[in-house]
Amino acid sequence: GENVEQHPSTLSVQEGDSAVIKCTYSDSASNYFPWYKQELGKRPQLIIDIRSNVGEKKDQRIAVTLNKTAKHFSLHITETQPEDSAVYFCAASITDSWGKLQFGAGTQVVVTP
Amino acid sequence: EAGVTQFPSHSVIEKGQTVTLRCDPISGHDNLYWYRRVMGKEIKFLLHFVKESKQDESGMPNNRFLAERTGGTYSTLKVQPAELEDSGVYFCASSQVASGETQYFGPGTRLLVL
Repeated sequence: GENVEQHPSTLSVQEGDSAVIKCTYSDSASNYFPWYKQELGKRPQLIIDIRSNVGEKKDQRIAVTLNKTAKHFSLHITETQPEDSAVYFCAASITDSWGKLQFGAGTQVVVTP
Repeated sequence: EAGVTQFPSHSVIEKGQTVTLRCDPISGHDNLYWYRRVMGKEIKFLLHFVKESKQDESGMPNNRFLAERTGGTYSTLKVQPAELEDSGVYFCASSQVASGETQYFGPGTRLLVL
């Protein structure tokens, strides 16, 4: 089955700097890659997603890139702010798998003022 | 629009006891998923309902776990008897379409088995 590896497990950045989280997946049939953010004590929320027919997607300070050949995708956060502090999860799924998401282990991001 | 709700938010039980978790998906969402996060590891898929039918239960750990979704609305996940390794956060998520569609997560139920 699908296996998703996520790095780093923790990431500390100064406010205003950029943060990058990387994920690799094993199943070349995976074609949908969402990113979830979970703030302390809250539910995981989708922040951005990308499909396999797209190489990059941006939404304000957040961007995701996908390299299908290498089977990895990354989340980029620019101009980080304290409210970006959270656990970020990458995930992958296959269209034929009825939406079952395979998650990475999560990255704890801490933005220090 | 109300989001996905889960009850209880926390549960502390002793090994061997029974616990039932409940999930109310967003109204109109036919797809309901259960996931679990154990000890800071990845969020792992448990099972998927389409309406009242189990579409995929490949992630269920063993036969101590029983999920139901009678009537295709809310779902329950019962653990009987609970073991120490069942401790973790149980998330429910729902979506309108099964594939490549946003899954909306509930706040989770934090289960601690002593």
